[in-house]
Amino acid sequence: SQQGEEDPQALSIQEGENATMNCSYKTSINNLQWYRQNSGRGLVHLILIRSNEREKHSGRLRVTLDTSKKSSSLLITASRAADTASYFCATDLNQAGTALIFGKGTTLSVSS
Amino acid sequence: KAGVTQTPRYLIKTRGQQVTLSCSPISGHRSVSWYQQTPGQGLQFLFEYFSETQRNKGNFPGRFSGRQFSNSRSEMNVSTLELGDSALYLCASSFSMTGGNTEAFFGQGTRLTVV
Repeated sequence: SQQGEEDPQALSIQEGENATMNCSYKTSINNLQWYRQNSGRGLVHLILIRSNEREKHSGRLRVTLDTSKKSSSLLITASRAADTASYFCATDLNQAGTALIFGKGTTLSVSS
Repeated sequence: KAGVTQTPRYLIKTRGQQVTLSCSPISGHRSVSWYQQTPGQGLQFLFEYFSETQRNKGNFPGRFSGRQFSNSRSEMNVSTLELGDSALYLCASSFSMTGGNTEAFFGQGTRLTVV
């Protein structure tokens, strides 16, 4: 069963705009991770945020975590066509972060 | 450093047959996890192996099994294939440091079609 639920399920924007995706989860976590998947291929790790962190940045990515609301958001600034992909949040079954429970994902389409 | 390698990339099998998928993790990674991805159910965790032992298991029937070898390479097996087993099967490896908080590196997947 899915631990997380992403919102929205699909998002279409123009190049240069910002894209915000939200994720909610059900149980307590050690960390939350975001992954990107291009067209049915393997997943690529984007960013990991620990449960004691509230915000983290990596390049054009900004992730926030609110453990009281059991939610996280991923912001991609100045989107590019190459950002077109599906984005998944994932929590872990164990502390090692090796048994990931994924949400259903947000499909982002960036048009030029 | 070579990435996670999954073989084969594509596979077509007949209902009732069995199939074995292979995953070679990144050198030095001791944890290998398997996931099933379908349009209806999304990404679902199958199981995880660490040092040749199954450490975690998802909610899948016993037809799905796996193993890990001493060199950390892993195989998963699906017996008595059903049409609903058609999916992209993803393998991920992780260094799995003590204390956790490690990222997973995914292979490109094996696309299994059951006819």
